[in-house]
Amino acid sequence: RKEVEQDPGPFNVPEGATVAFNCTYSNSASQSFFWYRQDCRKEPKLLMSVYSSGNEDGRFTAQLNRASQYISLLIRDSKLSDSATYLCVVNMRDNYGQNFVFGPGTRLSVLP
Amino acid sequence: DVKVTQSSRYLVKRTGEKVFLECVQDMDHENMFWYRQDPGLGLRLIYFSYDVKMKEKGDIPEGYSVSREKKERFSLILESASTNQTSMYLCASQLGEQYFGPGTRLTVT
Repeated sequence: RKEVEQDPGPFNVPEGATVAFNCTYSNSASQSFFWYRQDCRKEPKLLMSVYSSGNEDGRFTAQLNRASQYISLLIRDSKLSDSATYLCVVNMRDNYGQNFVFGPGTRLSVLP
Repeated sequence: DVKVTQSSRYLVKRTGEKVFLECVQDMDHENMFWYRQDPGLGLRLIYFSYDVKMKEKGDIPEGYSVSREKKERFSLILESASTNQTSMYLCASQLGEQYFGPGTRLTVT
């Protein structure tokens, strides 16, 4: 079983749609959680951290369910510029203190 | 603003050559990482470092080595490049979340 799994995608949605991505992780000792965005041929960039209480940043909402070891990202009112690959990242503690594990990513295409 | 720079955006090397990929960060972060990214495989950790002169193997260290002589610089070395090391190489610096450099697309012919 992979340590971090995501919806395989791709997701093709019209502008204005709401889209949700799911991510599950295997290590219950995981400490922190992030969503990164990666544009084609570019480096990943932090979209938002994910907090236990859930958090919102404009059109983006992230939620964490520790009991189910599940993270989600909701994008409302999709824009063409949201087209990218979304990476779920879990910081799993190990003997060295930290171990960032990336999911395989889910590709989103927002269509006009 | 955190800045992570990598020495080259594109690199073409021949099989058997020794290759150096340099990464520099300007935020005094202690933690630095080297990943490679391949289609369908996502990001895979090659090596990481938590301090100067300190290095630890990641998930796929074979064929690679690293050097961290100064806090701001973390170098990835391919001792004898092979065609299966053709990939996108990404360096990251970390305090809280990870900050990535722009990547080096290496082609080994």
